[in-house]
Order: sequence, then C-alpha cells, then structure tokens
Amino acid sequence: EPEVTQTPSHQVTQMGQEVILRCVPISNHLYFYWYRQILGQKVEFLVSFYNNEISEKSEIFDDQFSVERPDGSNFTLKIRSTKLEDSAMYFCASSELGDSPLHFGNGTRLTVT
Amino acid sequence: DQQVKQNSPSLSVQEGRISILNCDYTNSMFDYFLWYKKYPAEGPTFLISISSIKDKNEDGRFTVFLNKSAKHLSLHIVPSQPGDSAVYFCAASPRNSNSGYALNFGKGTSLLVTP
Repeated sequence: EPEVTQTPSHQVTQMGQEVILRCVPISNHLYFYWYRQILGQKVEFLVSFYNNEISEKSEIFDDQFSVERPDGSNFTLKIRSTKLEDSAMYFCASSELGDSPLHFGNGTRLTVT
Repeated sequence: DQQVKQNSPSLSVQEGRISILNCDYTNSMFDYFLWYKKYPAEGPTFLISISSIKDKNEDGRFTVFLNKSAKHLSLHIVPSQPGDSAVYFCAASPRNSNSGYALNFGKGTSLLVTP
C-alpha cells in the first residue's frame, strides 16, 4: 500500500538554527499537510498546501515556518530559526482530494537544544 | 481551546468483547469526523470517517456513530483483538473540499485489549 515517507526520523538542532523536514507524499495525492504533536499534547494542524500554494494555515504557522514543493515528489517544512518550543513530532500527511481522509507519515522527531 | 474532547485517557477490554471509544466536540461547524489509530513510533493511521449527513458508518469490525444533537461520536470495535491495542484519536473538521482538512484532534484514548 502506498505510504507517506518522512526523513529524517529524528533531527537534533541547536536553538536558532534552520531545519528542513522532508516528506514524500503519496504520488497521486493533491493535498499536502503538516501537523505537529508536542510531547504529551494533542496533534495540531500547521498548514495545508494545494496547487503549489498554502490553502490554510494555523496561528502556529508564523513567519518562522515555510513550506515548499521543490519538485514533483517532495514536500518540505522549513523552520527558519528554531526555538526550544519547536521541539515536537512533526507529521506530514497527504490526501487524494480535498475531502478525502488524510494519510500520515511516521513523523520526524525534532529536538531543539 | 479543546474543540474535540476524548475524556477517557485509557480503556481496557477483553479480547472478543466490544470496545467503545467516545468523543465529544463543541464546534457546531464541524461536519466531517474521522478516527485514527496510532502505534508508538508510527504516524496516525486512518480507520473510518463519517460525515454529518449520516449517523452511522460501518467498515468491518469498526462502526462509528454520530449524534449531532449531542455533539458526540463513538467508535465501536467488535470483536476486539489484541492487535487493536493502540492509541485512538478522534478528529473533526468543517468540510472544505477546496483547502483540505485542518483537523482538530482529541488527546487520544489508549486502548488495551487483553487476551
């Protein structure tokens, strides 16, 4: 069964550094998402992306965050200057259509020291 | 701001019996609801969904019931199997086919199915 793949599985970075989290969505899917889960908290929506542009974003997704689809297969989340509170599990997801269920990757655990 | 609430952090059920996981929501704009299962070190796996025009949706051992007036949904697993042991998340969203889903998740219920 096709799946969403995320790399790396674990990223450790120092506060203030830039990180890029990478995702390969399911190939025929058109909608892409980033969610995050801080330890002990619920999964939170960050951003949705369709037709090469952001379609919706949460208040968490401030100017420090950006997303990009640099080619036909990858979808990336960049955090420009990481803070301690950015430490979380970041999940990429994709859906075939706008009203189809989301399929999630296994996540990237980001640790900011 | 918890718009989706799963009030039971954990549930233990014997193999073969029914597991009932509950979820409440507060936002009346929500009209699409999903259940996800999550194992440790993996991402959430889609189980079943229901839209607000229905009150029941069934897929094999999994059935989701929606009570719009009570803003309540439940997931029934019958019969429960040890492999069902996982954390179950309820999620909800206004339906917006143009922008995809900004899902609101509950905190999850950890289900343990004992032999």
